[in-house]
Amino acid sequence: QVHLQESGPKLVKPSETLSLTCSVSGSFMSTYYWAWIRQPPGKGLEWIGAISSSGSTNYNPAFKSRVTLSVDTSRTQFSLTLTSLTAADTAMYYCARQRDYSSQFDSWGQGTLVTVSS
Amino acid sequence: DIQMTQSPSSLSASVGDRVTISCRASQNINYYLNWYQQKPGKAPKLLIYVASTLSSGVPSRFSGSGSGTDFTLTISGLQPEDFASYYCQQGSTTEVTFGGGTKVEIK
Repeated sequence: QVHLQESGPKLVKPSETLSLTCSVSGSFMSTYYWAWIRQPPGKGLEWIGAISSSGSTNYNPAFKSRVTLSVDTSRTQFSLTLTSLTAADTAMYYCARQRDYSSQFDSWGQGTLVTVSS
Repeated sequence: DIQMTQSPSSLSASVGDRVTISCRASQNINYYLNWYQQKPGKAPKLLIYVASTLSSGVPSRFSGSGSGTDFTLTISGLQPEDFASYYCQQGSTTEVTFGGGTKVEIK
């Protein structure tokens, strides 16, 4: 059984950079990808990107110029960095395990609400 | 990118009803389609993957069908705990995309 937990700031100022970390307990095998997904209040789900334990990345083109994912296998953690924040980036941010067959997300963190406001 | 369109965006139903939610892809995704349930304040939960395979622990009243561009999630005998939002998601390309969601409300 795998458990994921997001951590990071809850309030960030416009134009600043958001850094979130997902700590994974349980299996951190190389066959998995590890993803970030966000959900603005009252809206739907948006995939941001994913990283393998070896560091291979896939990004949503909508974020590609602003987002960086990294992984620390020794700590079984992966991280999201999102730059140039605006109010439109206010959302619940989830980390999740992404399987390789149908890219299904079979384990999720509880999510962390990030508000972008001055 | 592949656009995923869900319909309806919301529906009202009663306990015991059979509910059907549709999801259409803008291009052929074979059977790489997954369904999630999300309750208020909670993370989404995987219900079905590769169009019709039930995730572990999901009740058999949930079923999925379809291939290519048209997919369906069916709940046979709606239970009180099924009132939630449902999302489809395609995994055919490395750029994953979700449908806009369907909210199932109590009639």
